[in-house]
Amino acid sequence: QQPVQSPQAVILREGEDAVINCSSSKALYSVHWYRQKHGEAPVFLMILLKGGEQKGHEKISASFNEKKQQSSLYLTASQLSYSGTYFCGTEASAGGTSYGKLTFGQGTILTVHP
Amino acid sequence: DAGITQSPRHKVTETGTPVTLRCHQTENHRYMYWYRQDPGHGLRLIHYSYGVKDTDKGEVSDGYSVSRSKTEDFLLTLESATSSQTSVYFCAISGLTSGSYFGPGTRLTVT
Repeated sequence: QQPVQSPQAVILREGEDAVINCSSSKALYSVHWYRQKHGEAPVFLMILLKGGEQKGHEKISASFNEKKQQSSLYLTASQLSYSGTYFCGTEASAGGTSYGKLTFGQGTILTVHP
Repeated sequence: DAGITQSPRHKVTETGTPVTLRCHQTENHRYMYWYRQDPGHGLRLIHYSYGVKDTDKGEVSDGYSVSRSKTEDFLLTLESATSSQTSVYFCAISGLTSGSYFGPGTRLTVT
């Protein structure tokens, strides 16, 4: 089942912050975050493995609450280059390996204006 | 950038014809995937491979087959193309804990 992302869209001015949420009904082994610009391939941002760790990538960080099967992506002091569609991809926690198969959310469109 | 290419990048074909898309990687990754991306559906897994000649179905595998005879190549075949298979197809490779890296995509139009 597809994870649910919220919000569906967000509009920011440069320098503002945003949070994108990803929620799954399944037990998760990992959560991935990707950014896709129009007409391009998704680009990997970060992966969070179960354990509740938080990761950072420049001014973009994320957390993973494995008890709630939820992850959040934090974008601080947004830049024009942050515009795009953000996807979470979830990997189910199974008895054996899931081979890195991802189920993606429907995406969150982020627009940053000057 | 991960070394992953797809060919062709664009293709227009007629309903009922077979179509093969190719994914080539130079990263020696064991795991490879084919996804399709459609408006309103996001990215959906078609098939995946966990080694040479080891493949399995994803969530939207009907009408598609795959083959992997070498580590670097993963082929996706539409046996008899239908208009519902008009989409953008992405190949991806993964080192599991290092995330997935996507190829540039193939835009397929079935008329």
